[in-house]
Amino acid sequence: AAGVIQSPRHLIKEKRETATLKCYPIPRHDTVYWYQQGPGQDPQFLISFYEKMQSDKGSIPDRFSAQQFSDYHSELNMSSLELGDSALYFCASSLFPGDLAPLYNEQFFGPGTRLTVL
Amino acid sequence: GENVEQHPSTLSVQEGDSAVIKCTYSDSASNYFPWYKQELGKRPQLIIDIRSNVGEKKDQRIAVTLNKTAKHFSLHITETQPEDSAVYFCAARPPRNGGFKTIFGAGTRLFVKA
Repeated sequence: AAGVIQSPRHLIKEKRETATLKCYPIPRHDTVYWYQQGPGQDPQFLISFYEKMQSDKGSIPDRFSAQQFSDYHSELNMSSLELGDSALYFCASSLFPGDLAPLYNEQFFGPGTRLTVL
Repeated sequence: GENVEQHPSTLSVQEGDSAVIKCTYSDSASNYFPWYKQELGKRPQLIIDIRSNVGEKKDQRIAVTLNKTAKHFSLHITETQPEDSAVYFCAARPPRNGGFKTIFGAGTRLFVKA
């Protein structure tokens, strides 16, 4: 079965550079979530989109922005990179998290993008 | 907002023994509680979940219990095997009108000794 696709899988950047991470959700999934996971830490929710609109916002720095496109793929844009931005960035997708169908809440995670800022 | 606490941070058991991981959440409106298993450098994988209208759910060697009154939920793994060694995260999620975010616990590193 098709899974969430993230690209690139690995990315190395210098401080103050910019980076763009891409996420392609599972077909027919309309909701996308971004998480940041530092070494030895739990995934921290950054932001989510439903039907191309931002649906919720977590601990996303102002230097980061994201959007969801008409084909439901999403991009996380990161500017003025700092050393502390080095982490695994996961994208997850789901069907709209309504309360009516048991399967709707499950988020499927992509393989992650490992960002290293030097 | 929601806050999830998870204990213990590290758990070491002998193969064949049971392992129990406990979590508490703060937002009484949360209604969905997934558990994820994450191996080193890999993505979190959903292993079991429970909704607030259910008190217990079981899937082979894995079970989850939920006490809504106390805002506690627990993961139980029986007959542990070395391949169960991983980091386990509990999480809580509010209903749709409360947002889309999933809040994770800090994780439990489980070691199963052969």
